Amino acid sequence: GAGVSQSPSNKVTEKGKDVELRCDPISGHTALYWYRQSLGQGLEFLIYFQGNSAPDKSGLPSDRFSAERTGGSVSTLTIQRTQQEDSAVYLCASFLGGSTDTQYFGPGTRLTVL
Amino acid sequence: QKEVEQNSGPLSVPEGAIASLNCTYSDRGSQSFFWYRQYSGKSPELIMSIYSNGDKEDGRFTAQLNKASQYVSLLIRDSQPSDSATYLCAVRRNTGNQFYFGTGTSLTVIP
Repeated sequence: GAGVSQSPSNKVTEKGKDVELRCDPISGHTALYWYRQSLGQGLEFLIYFQGNSAPDKSGLPSDRFSAERTGGSVSTLTIQRTQQEDSAVYLCASFLGGSTDTQYFGPGTRLTVL
Repeated sequence: QKEVEQNSGPLSVPEGAIASLNCTYSDRGSQSFFWYRQYSGKSPELIMSIYSNGDKEDGRFTAQLNKASQYVSLLIRDSQPSDSATYLCAVRRNTGNQFYFGTGTSLTVIP
């Protein structure tokens, strides 16, 4: 596609349930980031994928969070046993990599944990 | 100390005026600097990137970088109501993979 897409756009879940958030990056982009943005806050880095390298998971807030990237393209962020403090907008961004470090953001998934 | 700091605002300017947004960063090894605009309920979109000391102009936007003082700024000339948004400053170090974002400055351009 022409840009980064994310699904679902909105997700409401009950505390304790698991959720999966999907990101389709721009075709050909080797690098992909997940961020979390809470109300009125900046972007909090979660995880980074670059090609076939091991992902940089240093931003994941707890072991309830995990992510994978299949075939170097689509990525899924999974949150297990969701908590109310997980409520936020989850943003995915991709970029070409190499000397180019311009990120292109998807529209985000707004997660609400009741 | 936060990696990237911005005045949260809100900053209000009249239409046609110059809006000045400022950002400081803590890591002297930072190499790449970005300004993103984020409309309410939308995702960030890149306005400017700057890598070298000095000014970089693009239309009504000018980014200024001063690595010695560890600050980067964004000037918006002839501000328009459509410029009303939150502006995020982001910094990338010369090592590692992370981009560090400020919490953003809310700008309102008053018609």
